[in-house]
Amino acid sequence: KQEVTQIPAALSVPEGENLVLNCSFTDSAIYNLQWFRQDPGKGLTSLLLIQSSQREQTSGRLNASLDKSSGRSTLYIAASQPGDSATYLCAVPTGNMLTFGGGTRLMVKP
Amino acid sequence: GEEVAQTPKHLVRGEGQKAKLYCAPIKGHSYVFWYQQVLKNEFKFLISFQNENVFDETGMPKERFSAKCLPNSPCSLEIQATKLEDSAVYFCASSQDSSGNTIYFGEGSWLTVV
Repeated sequence: KQEVTQIPAALSVPEGENLVLNCSFTDSAIYNLQWFRQDPGKGLTSLLLIQSSQREQTSGRLNASLDKSSGRSTLYIAASQPGDSATYLCAVPTGNMLTFGGGTRLMVKP
Repeated sequence: GEEVAQTPKHLVRGEGQKAKLYCAPIKGHSYVFWYQQVLKNEFKFLISFQNENVFDETGMPKERFSAKCLPNSPCSLEIQATKLEDSAVYFCASSQDSSGNTIYFGEGSWLTVV
């Protein structure tokens, strides 16, 4: 059974810091991994999708890496801003559904 | 539409009452997924549809929960005889394929059972 874990569960940083969110999964036989953002009272917004053949994806200040063999992915946020405050979730396909991690609640203080 | 539309946004039910949630997927998307998020914890997969057919229902509780996606109607998730532990946010998502590569989530329906 696929299990997805995210560390840390919560993170508070001052504005401007670079930070790394971690995601690990137990079954490395995945064909992609997604990072989502969830704002309070809102649904999920897909940030980055990394195919299994890729090692990383970049979008603006976000960079996600994938190491299938070690069952790990990281989301790197450069020069964090208060608007980055949200919960970040990673998810991997399991059959035709997504298995989500528990999320990292990020607070960026001005 | 260009977004997954879920209604109602908030729903309060007394224990034992019925709750029905609706989801209009993005036009052209063949797959619809329902997820349950309890107390901001992990997302639990409930059920998926390919058009009006159940595609995967392995996450659906055996009792009290049912779902439908009928032609020309919003998809629905119904909970009979709600219990306190059914209180959660129910998210609907739609996709062009079953892999989740292009999946879009609605904003969720907040169910509170009192």
